[in-house]
Amino acid sequence: GQSLEQPSEVTAVEGAIVQINCTYQTSGFYGLSWYQQHDGGAPTFLSYNALDGLEETGRFSSFLSRSDSYGYLLLQELQMKDSASYFCAVRGNQAGTALIFGKGTTLSVSS
Amino acid sequence: NAGVTQTPKFQVLKTGQSMTLQCAQDMNHNSMYWYRQDPGMGLRLIYYSASEGTTDKGEVPNGYNVSRLNKREFSLRLESAAPSQTSVYFCASSKTGADTEAFFGQGTRLTVV
Repeated sequence: GQSLEQPSEVTAVEGAIVQINCTYQTSGFYGLSWYQQHDGGAPTFLSYNALDGLEETGRFSSFLSRSDSYGYLLLQELQMKDSASYFCAVRGNQAGTALIFGKGTTLSVSS
Repeated sequence: NAGVTQTPKFQVLKTGQSMTLQCAQDMNHNSMYWYRQDPGMGLRLIYYSASEGTTDKGEVPNGYNVSRLNKREFSLRLESAAPSQTSVYFCASSKTGADTEAFFGQGTRLTVV
């Protein structure tokens, strides 16, 4: 099966940088995804890493190290609107199966 | 462009009642999924359908059934609701089962009393 570990909560102030880590265990690996969910809303896709290294999308970046079964989401220039839950996810152990999510990290940004 | 539409948005059931949660997508996606979300538990996969005509169990399938009615629609049925099924249910879809991005509906908040 698959399992993912991420911190349950992270706090930061506006303008700061925060890193949300994710370690995973899966028998077959098809990439690590990140999703954002605001309170009361639906999860929305943020980023995806299939290969080692850093992927940058505006203020958000995501990193993957396949040899360490580890990735992180980096949020820069934090804004109040970034307060949300962030989930890492991996695809199932066979290509074509569904995303399995971590338990999520709640990010609270204060002024 | 509606994306993924779930109905109803809210529902209260009595223990033992049955109901069907509806989900439809208008993006011509092949794969569809049902997740439940409970506080501190993240999103847990109930069932998924990699393509029209196929369904498979996920992490927590007990107490649920699904039907992939056609390419657009994927329903989730609770035959005899239990308080443990109180949760927020999300339907999602992706272009293919291997696609990296899934699109979620707005969720159904279900309370079983």
